[in-house]
Amino acid sequence: GAVVSQHPSWVICKSGTSVKIECRSLDFQATTMFWYRQFPKQSLMLMATSNEGSKATYEQGVEKDKFLINHASLTLSTLTVTSAHPEDSSFYICSVPSLPGELFFGEGSRLTVL
Amino acid sequence: SQQGEEDPQALSIQEGENATMNCSYKTSINNLQWYRQNSGRGLVHLILIRSNEREKHSGRLRVTLDTSKKSSSLLITASRAADTASYFCATDARAAGNKLTFGGGTRVLVKP
Repeated sequence: GAVVSQHPSWVICKSGTSVKIECRSLDFQATTMFWYRQFPKQSLMLMATSNEGSKATYEQGVEKDKFLINHASLTLSTLTVTSAHPEDSSFYICSVPSLPGELFFGEGSRLTVL
Repeated sequence: SQQGEEDPQALSIQEGENATMNCSYKTSINNLQWYRQNSGRGLVHLILIRSNEREKHSGRLRVTLDTSKKSSSLLITASRAADTASYFCATDARAAGNKLTFGGGTRVLVKP
């Protein structure tokens, strides 16, 4: 069964609106979760590390105010794309680290901004 | 920038043939991992090889690691149509804060 649940799997929104994506760890508690972005036929680019109970750590070049991350519990992290624009259209994937160092991935969320 | 560069970018083979893809990286690593991604889906962990290991097997998968050349290879033997997917290597390097850095991926098409 799935270890990480991501919702929604796809979303279409109008330019200027905000979209929230949820990532749930189903099998174990996760103090850390990772958010990735993937453009078509390209690799995954790490956006930020979500830390339970504290601020997320963003990678260089990722706008904190644009991509809001909240990790309020040990099983849930959310990514909110604020004031979305067409260039934000992408595939967003979350992952949860496990021992010994591998990642469990959600099924991804495809965002299309019109 | 990506730590891993994968070669080839795309591979098309007949069912039953072997598929080999390579990954090169730049800095010292703790381990190297291979993941599989079906189109439009999340990634699935395939195998992890530590820096002190040279070869590892899992079912029809064989992974090698050459730390002197900073390269790894993934071999899928007796491929099946269901193996059609993109395969990514990912490195866990202290220089990257022990975060996984993914390569560009190899798109594999197995024709029945």
